[in-house]
Amino acid sequence: QSVLTQPPSVSGAPGQRVTISCTGSSSNIGAGYDVHWYQQLPGTAPKLLIYGNSNRPSGVPDRFSGSKSGTSASLAITGLQAEDEADYYCQSYDSRLSGSGVFGTGTKVTVL
Amino acid sequence: QVQLVQSGAEIKKPGSSVKVSCKASGGTFSSYTINWVRQAPGQGLEWMGRIIPILGLTNYAQKFQGRVTITADKSTSTAYMELSNLRSEDTAVYYCARESLEGTTTYYFDYWGQGTLVTVSS
Repeated sequence: QSVLTQPPSVSGAPGQRVTISCTGSSSNIGAGYDVHWYQQLPGTAPKLLIYGNSNRPSGVPDRFSGSKSGTSASLAITGLQAEDEADYYCQSYDSRLSGSGVFGTGTKVTVL
Repeated sequence: QVQLVQSGAEIKKPGSSVKVSCKASGGTFSSYTINWVRQAPGQGLEWMGRIIPILGLTNYAQKFQGRVTITADKSTSTAYMELSNLRSEDTAVYYCARESLEGTTTYYFDYWGQGTLVTVSS
C-alpha cells in the first residue's frame, strides 16, 4: 500500500555494516523530495534518525548515515551494535498525495 | 526542549468516536505544525493528517477524509485528533508529532508524543 518500499528485514553481526533501501518513484523520491529516516525501538515512539537525506540530528551517532540517488534512498549502519536492533522507516513526500506524508513499509534490523 | 504528552489509552465500541489529545510544552505552540500518525499492531506507520494551529489549516489523508478531525487549542497548547465511526481496524497506537522543515525541502517529524493506544472492540 505504501508508495515507498523497504525490505522487510535485514540482519548483521555486531560490528558489521548493513544497509536499508527505500525505493520510490518519479512522484516522490525521484521528483527530488528529501528522504528522512526514523528508528523505532520496541514499544517506543519513532525517533528521528536522519533528515534531509543525509543529516543527523544532534545526538545521533555517526554510525548512521543516509544517501539518496534517483528514485531510491539508503540508510547505512556501520559498526552494528546490539542496541541498533529496531524497526526503521523512511519517509518522504508524494506529489500525487497532496498534503500527505508518506512512510516506507519498514525494515526490521536484527543483530545476530 | 519540545515535549508532546498524549492522553491515556482508550477502549471504544465499534461505531463510536475517540478523541486523543497532545499537549505541547517548550517552544511556541502556535508556530508548530502538528501531525498525527498511527500504527496498527505489528504494522507500519500511517500518516493521518496535520494542523497548522496559527492558521487553523488542516490536511487529511484521503483514507481518513470524513472520519478524522484534527483541531488545536492555542490557549492550552493542545492538539486533538478525533476519529469517528470506529471499526476494529482502527485499533492502533496513535502518535502526534511536530513537523519541521529545517534543513530540508520536505517536512519531517522531529518530536513525537509517547503514543496513545486505542482499542476498538465490542
